[in-house]
Amino acid sequence: NAGVTQTPKFRVLKTGQSMTLLCAQDMNHEYMYWYRQDPGMGLRLIHYSVGEGTTAKGEVPDGYNVSRLKKQNFLLGLESAAPSQTSVYFCASSVAVGTEAFFGQGTRLTVV
Amino acid sequence: AQSVTQLDSQVPVFEEAPVELRCNYSSSVSVYLFWYVQYPNQGLQLLLKYLSGSTLVESINGFEAEFNKSQTSFHLRKPSVHISDTAEYFCAVTFTGGGNKLTFGTGTQLKVEL
Repeated sequence: NAGVTQTPKFRVLKTGQSMTLLCAQDMNHEYMYWYRQDPGMGLRLIHYSVGEGTTAKGEVPDGYNVSRLKKQNFLLGLESAAPSQTSVYFCASSVAVGTEAFFGQGTRLTVV
Repeated sequence: AQSVTQLDSQVPVFEEAPVELRCNYSSSVSVYLFWYVQYPNQGLQLLLKYLSGSTLVESINGFEAEFNKSQTSFHLRKPSVHISDTAEYFCAVTFTGGGNKLTFGTGTQLKVEL
């Protein structure tokens, strides 16, 4: 099983550019999450989804948008990238509340 | 307010010594508790979890954590660490209701030295 796959793994953007990060899971999980990881700050939740067609805001949603049109995919968009969005982004999925969250390998994004 | 706190950002320890990584949370609702481990340049992996039942939970590689409801803590312990345990450890909490979000602490870097 592939588990949780994130695309791309690395990306460099110029300030103001847009991009979409793709997260795909093949475990039929209902819950999906997008986190960003910054040194000394742990993982902070950006947006999450509790099922196909649903999205909700996490701790740090500003500057990001998400969509969950298909159950297996969770897209994270940056409409106008800023240097403050330089980070490592992790996607995760879980079958239900209180169950193990499975993580992708991360996307290292640099905004210059 | 609901929050997760890991007070120790770094914990150095010698090989074969015991270690405790601390995790406290603040919540007015029921919680599910997790410890995840992250090795360099990798994603996070579940180490152990507490949902209900016995307050002491164990992992397959010798770690254990105890849920203490009165102290709102879920500290991670290992009686004898190995060099391969060097990694970053994250405490995570699901606060039931209100979206059931999985919230992480800021992490503790465990460095095992010879």
